[in-house]
Amino acid sequence: DGGITQSPKYLFRKEGQNVTLSCEQNLNHDAMYWYRQDPGQGLRLIYYSQIVNDFQKGDIAEGYSVSREKKESFPLTVTSAQKNPTAFYLCASSRTGENSQPQHFGDGTRLSIL
Amino acid sequence: KQEVTQIPAALSVPEGENLVLNCSFTDSAIYNLQWFRQDPGKGLTSLLLIQSSQREQTSGRLNASLDKSSGRSTLYIAASQPGDSATYLCAVRGSSNTGKLIFGQGTTLQVKP
Repeated sequence: DGGITQSPKYLFRKEGQNVTLSCEQNLNHDAMYWYRQDPGQGLRLIYYSQIVNDFQKGDIAEGYSVSREKKESFPLTVTSAQKNPTAFYLCASSRTGENSQPQHFGDGTRLSIL
Repeated sequence: KQEVTQIPAALSVPEGENLVLNCSFTDSAIYNLQWFRQDPGKGLTSLLLIQSSQREQTSGRLNASLDKSSGRSTLYIAASQPGDSATYLCAVRGSSNTGKLIFGQGTTLQVKP
């Protein structure tokens, strides 16, 4: 089945550690997105990529980094510079060039601090 | 800067009731508006997408309307069921061509049997 796979489902970070969240899609979508969700709040955009080897900062990019070496993959690294990383992280993808395509979401990764 | 607000934050209704969830946005220059459903600990499922040129979209018991000029959208759920219990999020795609979505905080719905 086509879809978006995020792993791991749960992740724990030690102080000063970088951690990487995986996002893979087999929908042949050009665009991919990373969002952060805090309790009782909507989603906020961290980074997005509309094409391989290109990505842009979203609204809350500080303390995060991404890469887009393959169309199918868009990993997110939460660096030690992100002082409040505890949140639910959601990856999404969509087609580009068309106004009407909804974004498809993975099931998320919940990150906590040890 | 686009801001999206959803009212109420939480709603509890008995099974069978018709209900309306509200979403408002500050900048009417949008490409489209989406309604999503989120179950606890899960990702988002797209329910309805309304283009900026459309007034409403329907899918089964769900009907979403859009009034761009007033910056409002509503999600109407007919004959609610316990399985409809979830958080409902609206999101607008702005005037840029990047596909970026701006989300509201969501309305958490509980339908009691």
